[in-house]
Amino acid sequence: QQQVKQSPQSLIVQKGGISIINCAYENTAFDYFPWYQQFPGKGPALLIAIRPDVSEKKEGRFTISFNKSAKQFSLHIMDSQPGDSATYFCAASLNTGFQKLVFGTGTRLLVSP
Amino acid sequence: DAGITQSPRYKITETGRQVTLMCHQTWSHSYMFWYRQDLGHGLRLIYYSAAADITDKGEVPDGYVVSRSKTENFPLTLESATRSQTSVYFCASRNRVVGELFFGEGSRLTVL
Repeated sequence: QQQVKQSPQSLIVQKGGISIINCAYENTAFDYFPWYQQFPGKGPALLIAIRPDVSEKKEGRFTISFNKSAKQFSLHIMDSQPGDSATYFCAASLNTGFQKLVFGTGTRLLVSP
Repeated sequence: DAGITQSPRYKITETGRQVTLMCHQTWSHSYMFWYRQDLGHGLRLIYYSAAADITDKGEVPDGYVVSRSKTENFPLTLESATRSQTSVYFCASRNRVVGELFFGEGSRLTVL
């Protein structure tokens, strides 16, 4: 019930391509879905987040697509750049009470020049 | 400098030794967290704290002890380190019940 399953584990995309990372959750009570970006040797940092009242949220080249009925959400990186090479974590939590994020296992993205 | 700092950044120790990882934040955030990051497991919550003197267990608390006598500090202690505790440890904080987590740069611990 508390798991968030993330795929793929690693991804190689050419510069200018679209990177897609998928996550699925089990707990239907989850209502906050952030994505964190982590560069080597650094801590994760919030990239973008969505709540289930919308099906899509876009910030620059980064878009979250959310499918509540399928209990899935995904991160799309348009026009991927070498500087996007990082590890991406999806997460989920309740948005009420004390929020404890449950993280996916991470996707290592490499954007080749 | 403002932010969240962890020390040491790298530590090698032996099985059975006590190790303390330090975390200090300058934002006066109420909420603080310790996560461990392992390949194939992502980030797993060890302990968290809602305020000074208020702490609670996360997903993987066994073998760890925390304290929070001051709002800005949240040390994590491994009382008798085991090889399975070899990991990268991240401290994080936030200022609200829900919302963005701010992470430190991590402490890489190797237990021989």
